[in-house]
Amino acid sequence: GAVVSQHPSRVICKSGTSVKIECRSLDFQATTMFWYRQFPKQSLMLMATSNEGSKATYEQGVEKDKFLINHASLTLSTLTVTSAHPEDSSFYICSASGANEQFFGPGTRLTVL
Amino acid sequence: GENVEQHPSTLSVQEGDSAVIKCTYSDSASNYFPWYKQELGKRPQLIIDIRSNVGEKKDQRIAVTLNKTAKHFSLHITETQPEDSAVYFCAATPYGGSQGNLIFGKGTKLSVKP
Repeated sequence: GAVVSQHPSRVICKSGTSVKIECRSLDFQATTMFWYRQFPKQSLMLMATSNEGSKATYEQGVEKDKFLINHASLTLSTLTVTSAHPEDSSFYICSASGANEQFFGPGTRLTVL
Repeated sequence: GENVEQHPSTLSVQEGDSAVIKCTYSDSASNYFPWYKQELGKRPQLIIDIRSNVGEKKDQRIAVTLNKTAKHFSLHITETQPEDSAVYFCAATPYGGSQGNLIFGKGTKLSVKP
């Protein structure tokens, strides 16, 4: 199957700093990527839909000014958590749409101290 | 918007027994229903999916059934093995088929006892 990578896999930061997470489709072009957040022992919650060359579409309750999404190319989408706080600590997973299924990245574990 | 309910939240079976997980969805426009297996700290892995023009699909020990009228779909795992232990998520896409945004159920933690 297609490969989606995420970087970094794990990040620890201080409260108030910004963190950028990259999501790359390695062997296919993805016009649409999705960002999910998963708290411990909970399900994946869709945060936003990232479309190449246009503004992201955010789900209700997700602050667009706090979670900045940029999909500058057909293989790269980035999520920037601005002014991170401890409650933003979570597992962030991206996915990219292939022809017949979605492919998930390995996830990024964010811990905000 | 779409809402996906999943039951049970936990399921414990003996090795060799069958396991069934059920999901319901609210949006009749949803047309793609994948099932994912997620091990702790890892990405979800697609194990089987079904589209709205099909009522049942089977892949070795795994099968999925879809009842569009009742808006529910189920995952069936036969001859369970300890390595089947994981969290399983159902999902539905209200539009865009397999390329649309996924709305997940809350997950079922399956434990298979040897």
